[in-house]
Amino acid sequence: GENVEQHPSTLSVQEGDSAVIKCTYSDSASNYFPWYKQELGKRPQLIIDIRSNVGEKKDQRIAVTLNKTAKHFSLHITETQPEDSAVYFCAASKLYTGNQFYFGTGTSLTVIP
Amino acid sequence: NAGVTQTPKFRVLKTGQSMTLLCAQDMNHEYMYWYRQDPGMGLRLIHYSVGEGTTAKGEVPDGYNVSRLKKQNFLLGLESAAPSQTSVYFCASSYDPRGGDTQYFGPGTRLTVL
Repeated sequence: GENVEQHPSTLSVQEGDSAVIKCTYSDSASNYFPWYKQELGKRPQLIIDIRSNVGEKKDQRIAVTLNKTAKHFSLHITETQPEDSAVYFCAASKLYTGNQFYFGTGTSLTVIP
Repeated sequence: NAGVTQTPKFRVLKTGQSMTLLCAQDMNHEYMYWYRQDPGMGLRLIHYSVGEGTTAKGEVPDGYNVSRLKKQNFLLGLESAAPSQTSVYFCASSYDPRGGDTQYFGPGTRLTVL
């Protein structure tokens, strides 16, 4: 099965700085990579996703990059704000198979005002 | 459109008791999932279903059973609860033919087994 590793487990940045979270996956057949944000006591919510036919996707201050050859993908948050503080999870899956989503163990991001 | 809902929100059980967690979705999704979330462990898949009447084991299925009698509902059962099953349980659904495989999560059920 798929194995997703996520680093770092905790990350603290000053407000306005950038934050980068990295994930690696093991199954070359995985082709869908979502990122979820989970605030304390809340459900995980999708913030951005990328499919294997593209290398980068941006949505305002958030971007995700994918390197299929190296089997890793990263979340980039620019101009961080205190409300970005949360736990972020990456995941890997195969589109349209209803197959399992494999999650990383999460990164706790703290943005210091 | 309520999305994904879970019942109950909180529950305390004694060791050996049984209970059923209910997940419901109104998005006509084919696929439904049950996860447990423990500190430092991320989300681990317990069981999942790719359609009405079908279920399959995930990463950590032992001690749990599931049923998908109706497309919109996915039930998770604990026959004899153990303290190791203390966790937060999330249900999710996916597969909207218009939008791909994005998973939508329910609000979670916090279960404590004493």
